Amino acid sequence: GAGVSQSPSNKVTEKGKDVELRCDPISGHTALYWYRQSLGQGLEFLIYFQGNSAPDKSGLPSDRFSAERTGGSVSTLTIQRTQQEDSAVYLCASNLGVSGANVLTFGAGSRLTVL
Amino acid sequence: SQQGEEDPQALSIQEGENATMNCSYKTSINNLQWYRQNSGRGLVHLILIRSNEREKHSGRLRVTLDTSKKSSSLLITASRAADTASYFCAISTGRRALTFGSGTRLQVQP
Repeated sequence: GAGVSQSPSNKVTEKGKDVELRCDPISGHTALYWYRQSLGQGLEFLIYFQGNSAPDKSGLPSDRFSAERTGGSVSTLTIQRTQQEDSAVYLCASNLGVSGANVLTFGAGSRLTVL
Repeated sequence: SQQGEEDPQALSIQEGENATMNCSYKTSINNLQWYRQNSGRGLVHLILIRSNEREKHSGRLRVTLDTSKKSSSLLITASRAADTASYFCAISTGRRALTFGSGTRLQVQP
């Protein structure tokens, strides 16, 4: 696609429920990143996918968080048993990976509210 | 932390004035980037400066980098109301993932 697409744009859920957030990166971009941004804060790195390499999961805050990337394209971030502190905007970004400068193109984000 | 730290946290100026934001970091970098964010949603890349560069210009933007002081500044000249946004620096090290600072919220009064 022309840009990074994320869905849903807004998600309200109850504490304890599981949520899935989707990211469709720019076509041809081999690298995909997930960040989290709490209200009025900076971006917190969560996970990074590069081609067929093992993902860098070093930023995932707990084992309730997981992500996968199918076919080297679309990625899904899953949060199990959501907690109120998971409320944030989840941002996905992509770039050409190792073949280019690591400038990121971001999606509009998915705003998650856990009640 | 390798994270960039922006200063000031918030800045309010009048249209036509210049806005200067600073970023400090703690580790060696490959490059440093500045991003802009409107309304708390997606970020847009503004400019990248490599570790061997000292200054870079793009339109009304001027970025400087001092690797000895581990600091960078972003200058927006002749600001406009449309420049109102949050601005983030991001540092690139050997890891592929950028690390972002907490941002500077710029308000340009018309």
